[in-house]
Amino acid sequence: QQPVQSPQAVILREGEDAVINCSSSKALYSVHWYRQKHGEAPVFLMILLKGGEQKGHEKISASFNEKKQQSSLYLTASQLSYSGTYFCGTEIRAYNTDKLIFGTGTRLQVFP
Amino acid sequence: DADVTQTPRNRITKTGKRIMLECSQTKGHDRMYWYRQDPGLGLRLIYYSFDVKDINKGEISDGYSVSRQAQAKFSLSLESAIPNQTALYFCATSDPWRENTGELFFGEGSRLTVL
Repeated sequence: QQPVQSPQAVILREGEDAVINCSSSKALYSVHWYRQKHGEAPVFLMILLKGGEQKGHEKISASFNEKKQQSSLYLTASQLSYSGTYFCGTEIRAYNTDKLIFGTGTRLQVFP
Repeated sequence: DADVTQTPRNRITKTGKRIMLECSQTKGHDRMYWYRQDPGLGLRLIYYSFDVKDINKGEISDGYSVSRQAQAKFSLSLESAIPNQTALYFCATSDPWRENTGELFFGEGSRLTVL
């Protein structure tokens, strides 16, 4: 039931690109993306809704393939500040945040 | 000041002791949650509350209880702590209608160690 994230870890140099994937076995209404820096709380990045709507606070792009129940987070021209662990969370119904299930995370490290 | 505040931030206790973790928020959100984070396992929901009179178990509620004292306060208790409850605990809030998303707002976390 827990969404599967891949890869588990990514190491990048500044300026390189990365893609983080999130896959669910269930039909999804939405996918959330959060980033957690070491020792801090997770911070919301964006939500992708069934039907194509996206809501987010940062200039990070993502896609949501409803048919495949998959989402991908695209980190382009990575910066040092992108380092952290990225979690996807999946909802199967609207506003059902009680049923938000998180993946196990992808650890991203960006080096100079 | 943080919008979602957790106390204590760190706590070391012994097996069998009763522990309470407290969460308060100034966001005016109705929904509050307690999550547990363990390395490699992500965030798992312990309990959630959609208003003061509504308390629900999450996926890993055994060994925990909660109290929603007011809209702004949601406490998590471990009646008799055991070592495998050693973890990082997060409180979170949300209000899909007010915020126009299902975004979760997390507190800074409470690190609990049970010896």
